[in-house]
Amino acid sequence: EPEVTQTPSHQVTQMGQEVILRCVPISNHLYFYWYRQILGQKVEFLVSFYNNEISEKSEIFDDQFSVERPDGSNFTLKIRSTKLEDSAMYFCASSEWDSGNNEQFFGPGTRLTVL
Amino acid sequence: DAKTTQPNSMESNEEEPVHLPCNHSTISGTDYIHWYRQLPSQGPEYVIHGLTSNVNNRMASLAIAEDRKSSTLILHRATLRDAAVYYCIPEGGFKTIFGAGTRLFVKA
Repeated sequence: EPEVTQTPSHQVTQMGQEVILRCVPISNHLYFYWYRQILGQKVEFLVSFYNNEISEKSEIFDDQFSVERPDGSNFTLKIRSTKLEDSAMYFCASSEWDSGNNEQFFGPGTRLTVL
Repeated sequence: DAKTTQPNSMESNEEEPVHLPCNHSTISGTDYIHWYRQLPSQGPEYVIHGLTSNVNNRMASLAIAEDRKSSTLILHRATLRDAAVYYCIPEGGFKTIFGAGTRLFVKA
């Protein structure tokens, strides 16, 4: 069964450093998403991406965040200058069509620890 | 974004049916009702979704009220593996807002 993969599984970084979290969505999917989950809290929507453009973003997704689909397979989330409060699990998801009438497939997540 | 109300937690015995309720009285007419779950230390997992009619799949059934202001996820025979947080999400596309969900405990 096809699945979404994410690398690395755990990333430790120093405050102020840039990090790039990588995701490989399911190959025929066209819509891509990033979420985060701070330990013990709910899953929070960050951004959705379609046709090489951001479709929707939340208030969390400020200028420190960016997304890119650099090639036909990867989907990345960049945090330019990490803060302590960016420590969280980051989940990537993809769907074949927009998420209204379609299921999203989630990856296993990347645990980001900012020291 | 439509608000949802779900019980904080529910408990079930293994092999028994579970009915997980959700109130979404402010749902828009075009939003689908999605259910996802999150097992411990995993990413969310799709369960089922529907618009107006009741839906069945291999995981669960979804009963949607006629006025669409509430829905119920039905697990026909709970197993220990079904212990998870279940999220009811009105979804219009492009932006999926998770609430706190219902934590389901399953007793052997």
